[in-house]
Amino acid sequence: EVQLQESGPGLVKPSQSLSLTCSVTGYSITSNYWGWIRKFPGNKMEWMGYISYSGSTSYNPSLKSRISITRDTSKNQFFLQLNSVTTEDTATYYCARYLRRVPDYWGQGVMVTVSS
Amino acid sequence: DIQMTQSPSSMSASLGDRVTITCQASQDIGNNLIWFQQKPGKSPRPMIYYATNLANGVPSRFSGSRSGSDYSLTISSLESEDMADYHCLQYKQYPDTFGAGTKLELK
Repeated sequence: EVQLQESGPGLVKPSQSLSLTCSVTGYSITSNYWGWIRKFPGNKMEWMGYISYSGSTSYNPSLKSRISITRDTSKNQFFLQLNSVTTEDTATYYCARYLRRVPDYWGQGVMVTVSS
Repeated sequence: DIQMTQSPSSMSASLGDRVTITCQASQDIGNNLIWFQQKPGKSPRPMIYYATNLANGVPSRFSGSRSGSDYSLTISSLESEDMADYHCLQYKQYPDTFGAGTKLELK
């Protein structure tokens, strides 16, 4: 069974970088697409970006200058880095597997608070 | 970006009620829409793919439909386990965009 698990610090200071890891079991990240989605307090959700089976990436233009998604195929993990965070980046961050353009398996999510 | 206008933002209903949640797309998205269910502390669960197709394991009381640019998720007879947040997501055009969500509560 495909399982995804997010990990990373729950508290980040403003202007610093947010770094999260998604560990995948039961499926190779060298297949399909793998993405990050976040859910803000108040329920709004935002697609952040993805990394493909080949390592190519696509990002939401709203984040393009601050976001980077990378991977380590030897560990079957992919990563999110979001730079210059503000309180507006406080959210629950989810990683997900994509199948034919649709996120079908999701992690449990990790809550990240941006605060000094 | 394509805007997905979801309504209502919240609703309360009784067990056995027929419930409908709607998303309106600002541009043509074809049938490239998915509905998710999310319960507190859980990850989102796909319920309806490609606007009208039931995902594996989803009870048949759930259905999806489309009328022009309006997409609907209907629960034919509400059960207690259906209390959750529901979101639509369009994947016709990047960036993928979500509806604002509907919180479904028991009356």
